[in-house]
Amino acid sequence: SQTIHQWPATLVQPVGSPLSLECTVEGTSNPNLYWYRQAAGRGLQLLFYSVGIGQISSEVPQNLSASRPQDRQFILSSKKLLLSDSGFYLCAWSHGESYEQYFGPGTRLTVT
Amino acid sequence: DAKTTQPPSMDCAEGRAANLPCNHSTISGNEYVYWYRQIHSQGPQYIIHGLKNNETNEMASLIITEDRKSSTLILPHATLRDTAVYYCIVSPRQTSGSRLTFGEGTQLTVNP
Repeated sequence: SQTIHQWPATLVQPVGSPLSLECTVEGTSNPNLYWYRQAAGRGLQLLFYSVGIGQISSEVPQNLSASRPQDRQFILSSKKLLLSDSGFYLCAWSHGESYEQYFGPGTRLTVT
Repeated sequence: DAKTTQPPSMDCAEGRAANLPCNHSTISGNEYVYWYRQIHSQGPQYIIHGLKNNETNEMASLIITEDRKSSTLILPHATLRDTAVYYCIVSPRQTSGSRLTFGEGTQLTVNP
C-alpha cells in the first residue's frame, strides 16, 4: 500500500532563517506531488505541484520554492523565512487522472 | 475553477444524518464536485466525488441537483469521529494531476 511521510512534524524557526521540509511517498511510482499551506483557521492554499522529476509549477508567488530531486521526493524550501510563512504545511500525492489526493500528516511551522 | 459556498458551521446529533450543503452556481460542464474532510490537525481525506449523477460509497452519499448548481453531502449515521471541516470543491478533471482549490469549508460538530 502507499504511504506518504512528512517531517518534521513541528518546527519553530526564527525570522530570516532557512527552511527545508521533506515529503516522500512509498508504494507508488511517478506520482503527482503537491505542497499546500494552511494558515490558522483557514482553508488550504496550493503552493506547488509537480507531475515529474524536475517539473515544478508554482501557484502563488512568494519566497518559497520547491524541488523534486527524485520521483517520490518533494522538498519545500525557503532561503529566509517571514512571519507570514507560519502555518500548517501539507504534502499530497495523486496518480495520473485519479480524482483523489492523499495527504501526509503535515508539518506545523511557527516562525518567531 | 468555479467558486463554492458552504455554511461556516453545522451541528448534528450522533446517530442522525448530517446533510452538508454546497452551492456552486457557476459550475461548468466539465467540472466535478469533490468532497474532502479534515479532522483537526490532520491532512484532508477524500470522501466522494461526482459529475451529475448521485453517488454513494462506504463513507457518504452525494446528491447533485439536476442543474448542477448545488449539491449535498450526506453522512447517513453521523458519529463523533465525523466531527471535522468538510470541503466542497469544484474542479475539472486534470489530465496531469488534479489541482484542487480548498475554501473555508463547513465545520461539522457531531454532538453526543
